[in-house]
Amino acid sequence: DAEITQSPRHKITETGRQVTLACHQTWNHNNMFWYRQDLGHGLRLIHYSYGVQDTNKGEVSDGYSVSRSNTEDLPLTLESAASSQTSVYFCASSEGWAETQYFGPGTRLLVL
Amino acid sequence: LAKTTQPISMDSYEGQEVNITCSHNNIATNDYITWYQQFPSQGPRFIIQGYKTKVTNEVASLFIPADRKSSTLSLPRVSLSDTAVYYCLVGDLRVNYGGSQGNLIFGKGTKLSVKP
Repeated sequence: DAEITQSPRHKITETGRQVTLACHQTWNHNNMFWYRQDLGHGLRLIHYSYGVQDTNKGEVSDGYSVSRSNTEDLPLTLESAASSQTSVYFCASSEGWAETQYFGPGTRLLVL
Repeated sequence: LAKTTQPISMDSYEGQEVNITCSHNNIATNDYITWYQQFPSQGPRFIIQGYKTKVTNEVASLFIPADRKSSTLSLPRVSLSDTAVYYCLVGDLRVNYGGSQGNLIFGKGTKLSVKP
């Protein structure tokens, strides 16, 4: 069955370190998304991609970057981790722009 | 960008109909409205999507008035397993093709508690 996976599921890092969160989907979807979820804020869009070599900024993109070298993967990089980036990160994919998004299980990141 | 507002929490009993309303006053012409359900330690799961009027599927109905400034998710005859957080999502990413930045805006979610 097609699925979307995220790794690691839990990560502890230190302020200033570079961190990369992986997202892999086997739906063959063109669109992929990264969100962060925080208490009191719900889900906020970080970056999204319409396809290979395409990336776009979302609502809270500062301090994050993504790259799309193939259809299946959209890794999220925190260039220099900050305590404010402690959060739960969700990756999602969809076939079309208005289609259902399928979410991964999430990565819980703690920045000390 | 459309900003969404939902009640923080709601309580209900098994077998009742539950209606959760999301306010999105400055929704754009191209924006769709989508509702997701989320259980603890899981990613959100799609429930229903609509643009205007009424949409119904096997699990819920979505009511959207003519001005589209709000939407109401209706869950018929809820059970204990419907206890979850429900999010409305408004947005349209297509505008990015024209050079403007599109966006997807989630509400902060409504925590629904269903009691026996």
